[in-house]
Amino acid sequence: GQNIDQPTEMTATEGAIVQINCTYQTSGFNGLFWYQQHAGEAPTFLSYNVLDGLEEKGRFSSFLSRSKGYSYLLLKELQMKDSASYLCAVKGDYKLSFGAGTTVTVRA
Amino acid sequence: EAQVTQNPRYLITVTGKKLTVTCSQNMNHEYMSWYRQDPGLGLRQIYYSMNVEVTDKGDVPEGYKVSRKEKRNFPLILESPSPNQTSLYFCASSFSAGGPIGNEQFFGPGTRLTVL
Repeated sequence: GQNIDQPTEMTATEGAIVQINCTYQTSGFNGLFWYQQHAGEAPTFLSYNVLDGLEEKGRFSSFLSRSKGYSYLLLKELQMKDSASYLCAVKGDYKLSFGAGTTVTVRA
Repeated sequence: EAQVTQNPRYLITVTGKKLTVTCSQNMNHEYMSWYRQDPGLGLRQIYYSMNVEVTDKGDVPEGYKVSRKEKRNFPLILESPSPNQTSLYFCASSFSAGGPIGNEQFFGPGTRLTVL
């Protein structure tokens, strides 16, 4: 099975940078995903890493180290609309397992 | 518009009364999945399907059934609902079933189920 850990909550100021860490232990690995979920809404896809390294997509970047079982999501130039939960998920052979999510609160 | 739809969006029912939550996708995706989301526990996978007539258990399958008779539909069946199945349910689909390509999942809007 999968064991996925991420912090429960983080708070940051508008315009700042926040890094959300995710560690995982897995019995199979076919990629790591980050999703954003606003309260009461469905998760939406942010990023995908299957090889080691950094993937950059505008204000959001995601990093993966498979040997360390570690990923992070970097949110730059924070905006109020970035207040949401961020979900780390690991794909095994066919199953997708999620962490409990990190709630990010952006303050003015 | 490419989307995953679920119905109903909200449902209040009583213990033991069979119910079905429908899920449909119009993207010709191979992989479909059901999740439940509970506070503090995150999303947990109930069942998934790699293609028509191919389904398998996720992490929390007890009390649920699924079927995949057509590629676009993946209904979730609760034969005898109990209060501990009160939750927010999401259906999702992705182009690929396995391997490292085309795995990103697209989620439906969610079904909030209350079992009294």
